[in-house]
Amino acid sequence: EVQLLESGGGLVQPGGSLRLSCAASGFTFSNYVMSWVRRAPGKGLEWVSAISGSGSNTYYADSVKGRFTISRDNSKNTLHLQMNSLRAEDTAVYFCAKETGNTAMEHWGQGTLVTVSS
Amino acid sequence: QTVVTQEPSFSVSPGGTVTLTCGLSSGSVSTSYYPSWYQQTPGQAPRTLIYGTNIRSSGVPDRFSGSILGNKAALNITGAQADDESDYYCVLYMGRGIKVFGGGTKLTVL
Repeated sequence: EVQLLESGGGLVQPGGSLRLSCAASGFTFSNYVMSWVRRAPGKGLEWVSAISGSGSNTYYADSVKGRFTISRDNSKNTLHLQMNSLRAEDTAVYFCAKETGNTAMEHWGQGTLVTVSS
Repeated sequence: QTVVTQEPSFSVSPGGTVTLTCGLSSGSVSTSYYPSWYQQTPGQAPRTLIYGTNIRSSGVPDRFSGSILGNKAALNITGAQADDESDYYCVLYMGRGIKVFGGGTKLTVL
């Protein structure tokens, strides 16, 4: 059974940094593209970033490009999202997801809440 | 910038059929966009319903189906049930690893 467990969320001041992690199990982690998706309070879902199975290719939404960095450790079956220069509008629940192909999310974690506020 | 469009809200009667659509602010949706559909109740994780236009995700009942309808992707729900009341999102694949969510449709079953 595919399991994805996010961690690392919390309260951070504007301009601060936070690193999210997603521990994966139940599948061959290195074979799959992984994504981060977020949902801000009162808003819809937003795709944030994705990374290829090897980690050699990364992709970002314009809203986070240059501030967020996605990475993975295939030896530990773990996905990361380093978030720098955080803004109030980054406040959201962040979900990690296992993709099917490179075109859609198939399995989801339960999410971790990031709050950017002074 | 291309925007993915969805109906903001829709209602369906219990047992009824509803078709939600997913379009582009400029241009037509085709299978080349690999449209996918997700259900999310606030406070819960999203659930994948359909990917690759019309492939049902594991465990999704065949009451849910996907297609291309005219110049849009479509999610058809038949035999609507009370627990289908939720937010529904489509995603289009824009190439180079980039996905874009639509704004979501709030479905009411009443």
